[in-house]
Amino acid sequence: GNSVTQMEGPVTLSEEAFLTINCTYTATGYPSLFWYVQYPGEGLQLLLKATKADDKGSNKGFEATYRKETTSFHLEKGSVQVSDSAVYFCALSVRGTYKYIFGTGTRLKVLA
Amino acid sequence: EAGVVQSPRYKIIEKKQPVAFWCNPISGHNTLYWYLQNLGQGPELLIRYENEEAVDDSQLPKDRFSAERLKGVDSTLKIQPAELGDSAVYLCASSSGQGATSSTDTQYFGPGTRLTVL
Repeated sequence: GNSVTQMEGPVTLSEEAFLTINCTYTATGYPSLFWYVQYPGEGLQLLLKATKADDKGSNKGFEATYRKETTSFHLEKGSVQVSDSAVYFCALSVRGTYKYIFGTGTRLKVLA
Repeated sequence: EAGVVQSPRYKIIEKKQPVAFWCNPISGHNTLYWYLQNLGQGPELLIRYENEEAVDDSQLPKDRFSAERLKGVDSTLKIQPAELGDSAVYLCASSSGQGATSSTDTQYFGPGTRLTVL
């Protein structure tokens, strides 16, 4: 079946530190991969996506590369800010199934 | 452009009572989704609509949950009767595409309705 595994949080970093949140997946077929962010009290917002192997999604300083050989889609940011504190969800969608499969989320807390 | 609107934002009810959630998707979005998000978990799909047709309701507990999307715009999700285990956040999302290409369409989420069943 299809599944997404994320590193457990919370992840606590100081401002300007480097961020990596690991995400690996299992999928039948060829999935598209997504990172969503959920700020407190809000819905999920798409952060970035990649639709095929070796694609790199990027947005607001965040990046993730679709690695088919390692079935991974790790989220990175070079210098985090306090405003990046949120829960980050990795998700996949297999073409033709329409359904998003989400990971359990990783809470990030950035300290000033 | 207005985002996905949900109401109410919070609802507290006693078990065995009915409850309903409302969602207004982004204008022009044909596909609408209802998700359940338990505490500390990712969202799980309950039902997906393309226009007014429920095309995937395999994860909807039909003994107590029902949904409708009259006229292919707004949608209502209902629980009757509610149980303690239904306490969760109910998210609505919408996307513009439908058919074979919609798996890569971005889904836009509303803020959710947090349900507490006492």
